[in-house]
Amino acid sequence: EPEVTQTPSHQVTQMGQEVILRCVPISNHLYFYWYRQILGQKVEFLVSFYNNEISEKSEIFDDQFSVERPDGSNFTLKIRSTKLEDSAMYFCASSGPLGTRRNQPQHFGDGTRLSIL
Amino acid sequence: AQSVTQPDIHITVSEGASLELRCNYSYGATPYLFWYVQSPGQGLQLLLKYFSGDTLVQGIKGFEAEFKRSQSSFNLRKPSVHWSDAAEYFCAVGAPAAGNKLTFGGGTRVLVKP
Repeated sequence: EPEVTQTPSHQVTQMGQEVILRCVPISNHLYFYWYRQILGQKVEFLVSFYNNEISEKSEIFDDQFSVERPDGSNFTLKIRSTKLEDSAMYFCASSGPLGTRRNQPQHFGDGTRLSIL
Repeated sequence: AQSVTQPDIHITVSEGASLELRCNYSYGATPYLFWYVQSPGQGLQLLLKYFSGDTLVQGIKGFEAEFKRSQSSFNLRKPSVHWSDAAEYFCAVGAPAAGNKLTFGGGTRVLVKP
């Protein structure tokens, strides 16, 4: 069964540094998402992305965050200048295919654990 | 804005016993509802979904859930629990008009006693 893959599984970064989290969505999916889960808290929506633009973003997704689909297979989340409170598990998800956004569930990767020191 | 409440943080159940996990949602339109399961160190795996139609939906691993509009609930059930069902379970509501974002409940951790 096709799956969403995320790399790395664990990222340790100094505060203030830039970090890029990478995701390879399921190949025929067209809708992409990032979520995060701070330890002990709920899974929170960050951003959704379709047709090379952001569809929706949460208030967490401020100017320090950006997303990109640099090629036909990768979907990345960049945090420009990391803060201690960015430490969390970040999940990528995808759904599709074409024309079925409302009826297709999101499939999640195993996550990247981001630790900010 | 949508919200999801899972009233039970932890549930302990004996292997072979039945399991019911509660989920209450708040959403202004017809909800799209999901249950996901997360094993330690793993991502979120979809158990089942409700979009419309039959209010009793069947999922993977022997799970089912019932949508009750009058109670704003979408409870998950399994008749006989296996030790491998020990995990954290998340209920979520989808918002197609808002980028299809999912809003999750806080999760219920299920422990299975032998």
